[in-house]
Amino acid sequence: AQRVTQPEKLLSVFKGAPVELKCNYSYSGSPELFWYVQYSRQRLQLLLRHISRESIKGFTADLNKGETSFHLKKPFAQEEDSAMYYCALSRGSTLGRLYFGRGTQLTVWP
Amino acid sequence: DAGVIQSPRHEVTEMGQEVTLRCKPISGHDYLFWYRQTMMRGLELLIYFNNNVPIDDSGMPEDRFSAKMPNASFSTLKIQPSEPRDSAVYFCASRLLVYEQFFGPGTRLTVL
Repeated sequence: AQRVTQPEKLLSVFKGAPVELKCNYSYSGSPELFWYVQYSRQRLQLLLRHISRESIKGFTADLNKGETSFHLKKPFAQEEDSAMYYCALSRGSTLGRLYFGRGTQLTVWP
Repeated sequence: DAGVIQSPRHEVTEMGQEVTLRCKPISGHDYLFWYRQTMMRGLELLIYFNNNVPIDDSGMPEDRFSAKMPNASFSTLKIQPSEPRDSAVYFCASRLLVYEQFFGPGTRLTVL
């Protein structure tokens, strides 16, 4: 069975500090991994997907199959990054449903 | 496109009442998903449809919950009878093929 674990429910950093939101997964096949973000009073939206290998709003995430991780990183956090972040997994290219972690609430202090 | 549309945005009801949540997916999308978000359990998938056909309803909590998709532009999630533990934010999302999943604004349900 597949599972997505986000070990931190809450994470706080100061503006300008590096931030890393952890995501670990368990799945025996070849997963596709995503990060979704929900800003206050806004819709949940896609931030990145590993297959795209791009940086969005300064965030990057690398799929590490050896460690079964897909941590989200940003070298210099901004106050506007404060939001709820969800890691999600899909079982390969056929997608179907997404399996979400429980989310990490990131707060960036000024 | 206005994106995924959900109504109502807020619903307050009393225990035992029937609740119907509505969703209009993005035109042309062939997948529709219903999620429930709570502090305790995070974001849970309740059911999803492909081309109006339910594919996986294993997340539906119990028989009090039912979902329909009578056509490609409309879906409902019904709770009958409602209970206080159903209080949550319910999201609808839609997707075209294997592309990005787009979420609606959610319906905040409070059952007293």
